[in-house]
Amino acid sequence: NAGVTQTPKFRILKIGQSMTLQCAQDMNHNYMYWYRQDPGMGLKLIYYSVGAGITDKGEVPNGYNVSRSTTEDFPLRLELAAPSQTSVYFCASSPTGSRNQPQHFGDGTRLSIL
Amino acid sequence: AQSVTQPDIHITVSEGASLELRCNYSYGATPYLFWYVQSPGQGLQLLLKYFSGDTLVQGIKGFEAEFKRSQSSFNLRKPSVHWSDAAEYFCAVGAPGGNKLVFGAGTILRVKS
Repeated sequence: NAGVTQTPKFRILKIGQSMTLQCAQDMNHNYMYWYRQDPGMGLKLIYYSVGAGITDKGEVPNGYNVSRSTTEDFPLRLELAAPSQTSVYFCASSPTGSRNQPQHFGDGTRLSIL
Repeated sequence: AQSVTQPDIHITVSEGASLELRCNYSYGATPYLFWYVQSPGQGLQLLLKYFSGDTLVQGIKGFEAEFKRSQSSFNLRKPSVHWSDAAEYFCAVGAPGGNKLVFGAGTILRVKS
């Protein structure tokens, strides 16, 4: 069972570069999420999607963009990388938007911007 | 707005000793509460969850948590810690509208032999 797959696992970017963090899930979940994790801060929600073609902002969306063209994929794009975006990024999914559905997490992408 | 506080950034316990990790939440209605564990270099794994009913919930790996509405707490416990329990633990509350999670800052557990 693959679950939630994130690629790449590690990446170093230069300031101003752009990149896309990939996330795919094979559980046919409707809801998908992107979080960033910074030391001592827990996880903060960047964007989420309730289904293909529908996305919405979370707590910290500035500097990021998302799209959801299929149920399986939910890529996160950084257009102009900044040092403040150095973080560990987690993608998650859940079957529905019901609060009793736990989220399933990928293993994360560790991104450094220098 | 919902919030979660984990007062302890780091906790060190001896192998075989009991463990309690604290979690306090702020939420106006019935909270949906979760504990997740993150091993180094890994994603988050669900330990247990509380929605309603019995306030003492059992999870995986021998963990349990007790919901206390009067104290707005959802503390995680384990009677005897194993070295493999060393990890970071996150408490989270489910926010309305899209099943969003609000996380605490996490508690790093170190286990000494």
